[in-house]
Amino acid sequence: GAVVSQHPSRVICKSGTSVKIECRSLDFQATTMFWYRQFPKQSLMLMATSNEGSKATYEQGVEKDKFLINHASLTLSTLTVTSAHPEDSSFYICSARDFGTGGSTEAFFGQGTRLTVV
Amino acid sequence: SQQGEEDPQALSIQEGENATMNCSYKTSINNLQWYRQNSGRGLVHLILIRSNEREKHSGRLRVTLDTSKKSSSLLITASRAADTASYFCATDTSGSRLTFGEGTQLTVNP
Repeated sequence: GAVVSQHPSRVICKSGTSVKIECRSLDFQATTMFWYRQFPKQSLMLMATSNEGSKATYEQGVEKDKFLINHASLTLSTLTVTSAHPEDSSFYICSARDFGTGGSTEAFFGQGTRLTVV
Repeated sequence: SQQGEEDPQALSIQEGENATMNCSYKTSINNLQWYRQNSGRGLVHLILIRSNEREKHSGRLRVTLDTSKKSSSLLITASRAADTASYFCATDTSGSRLTFGEGTQLTVNP
């Protein structure tokens, strides 16, 4: 099956710094990628939909200036958490769907990034 | 907002027993999918059932879909300790984004 690679898997940063998380589709072109946030023992909350070559679509309540998304190519989307604070500590997961395989609509997920802001 | 609600929230069984998880949703769907998540990892797709299907099998997995009741169930037969994970249903209403349920934490005791 298709593979989505997410890096880094873990990152610890100081409060006030920015952190970039990369999400790559390794064997298919992803015109759309999705960024989720997950708190412990909770479900995935969609933060934004990343569209190649255009602006991301953010969900209600998600600050677009806080969570910068760039989708500059068909295989790479990045999420930058700017001026991170301890409340931004969470598990961030990206996913992509391969719409080019003639009907397959399952989503492929990255391994997730555990962000800890100290 | 989460469309899906799952029950139970947590399920603990013995190895060899069957595990059943339920998912309810609110709006019309194109398809419904089930995913598995090991602790601290990404999600892995298990099975997809389309809105015009009622039942689907994949190995030890059996999924049912009742669109009149807006509900689905996932049955794992002959469970193994390695099946311990969180299981999420996800509804596809637009062909693009998925909306996830709250999840069921399954623990299979050896």
